[in-house]
Amino acid sequence: EAQVTQNPRYLITVTGKKLTVTCSQNMNHEYMSWYRQDPGLGLRQIYYSMNVEVTDKGDVPEGYKVSRKEKRNFPLILESPSPNQTSLYFCASSPTSANTGELFFGEGSRLTVL
Amino acid sequence: AQSVAQPEDQVNVAEGNPLTVKCTYSVSGNPYLFWYVQYPNRGLQFLLKYITGDNLVKGSYGFEAEFNKSQTSFHLKKPSALVSDSALYFCAVRDDTGFQKLVFGTGTRLLVSP
Repeated sequence: EAQVTQNPRYLITVTGKKLTVTCSQNMNHEYMSWYRQDPGLGLRQIYYSMNVEVTDKGDVPEGYKVSRKEKRNFPLILESPSPNQTSLYFCASSPTSANTGELFFGEGSRLTVL
Repeated sequence: AQSVAQPEDQVNVAEGNPLTVKCTYSVSGNPYLFWYVQYPNRGLQFLLKYITGDNLVKGSYGFEAEFNKSQTSFHLKKPSALVSDSALYFCAVRDDTGFQKLVFGTGTRLLVSP
């Protein structure tokens, strides 16, 4: 089954404790992206990747890092989480960058930073 | 920079009645417009898109959207609402030059009552 898989789905952590949210897609998609969803703000892009080893900042990259060493994986790293990073996170992928818009989304990862 | 406005936080409609969820946009070039739906505790799912051609676009689950260039709108419609249509709906836009950036609206919650 074609899918985007995120882990963990739910996480409660404390300020400053490094964490990684993994994202993997099995559709051989070139384009991958991370969004955060907050009430009243909709979805905001954190980082995106056009292909392996090519990443760039979205609208709200502060406090986050990403890497794209393999085509299928695009982990989101919070080096030192803070309470304002409490949010619902979505990973998404698309066949090519030119096709961006028809995104396939993961189920989401709800993160709480205390 | 492109932007999207969804003026209604919530739309209430009775089952069997027609529904409209509003979206207006702003882009510098030609718009590529999209609607996504999010069911509770799920990721976003693609519904439909407008790239070029007929102003009335048909999508999944009986939804359609009407592109109006003069009013810069892309309203989502369905002739007869179902209770199962209750969900959060997002409009999104990119222009024909910003191929890597898709901007989402803040979302409209649709509640269909029996």
